Amino acid sequence: GAVVSQHPSWVICKSGTSVKIECRSLDFQATTMFWYRQFPKQSLMLMATSNEGSKATYEQGVEKDKFLINHASLTLSTLTVTSAHPEDSSFYICSARDEGRETEAFFGQGTRLTVV
Amino acid sequence: GQNIDQPTEMTATEGAIVQINCTYQTSGFNGLFWYQQHAGEAPTFLSYNVLDGLEEKGRFSSFLSRSKGYSYLLLKELQMKDSASYLCAVMDSNYQLIWGAGTKLIIKP
Repeated sequence: GAVVSQHPSWVICKSGTSVKIECRSLDFQATTMFWYRQFPKQSLMLMATSNEGSKATYEQGVEKDKFLINHASLTLSTLTVTSAHPEDSSFYICSARDEGRETEAFFGQGTRLTVV
Repeated sequence: GQNIDQPTEMTATEGAIVQINCTYQTSGFNGLFWYQQHAGEAPTFLSYNVLDGLEEKGRFSSFLSRSKGYSYLLLKELQMKDSASYLCAVMDSNYQLIWGAGTKLIIKP
């Protein structure tokens, strides 16, 4: 099956700093990647849709200047949490759609972000 | 609006059978997914239904009725490792996944 690798798995950072999370499709090309946020005991919340070579589409209520998304190649999308605050602490998950198998979305392992 | 409903929590006994229901109202339909998610981990794919009927895959089966906007995930011969959250998601007309809140399944010995 298709593999999506997300890095890092967990990160602790200080308030005010920035954190970059990478999402890579290892064995397929993904023109579209999705970034989710998940709070404890809650379902996935779509933050933005990342399109290769173009600007990301952000969901309502998600600050695009705070959550910077770059999708520079067909196998890599990055999410940068800028000027992190403790309330940004969450589980961030990326998924990628295999364009050859449009009906499936494959998930990365997730990144546990803790801002102290 | 778009809406996915599934029970918040269910409890079942090891070795038994449990059925997790999901009802949906979405703008368009391009398939329904079930994912399993253990605490602190990303979801893993279980099943995909786009046509009416039952899809069986080992101990897990998934059923879809498009006319009723209804699906269920059936888990047989429950094992302790099946304790997890089960997420129902529908792909809408824009090929976006609409997620349910998840059903936390607790398995007791």
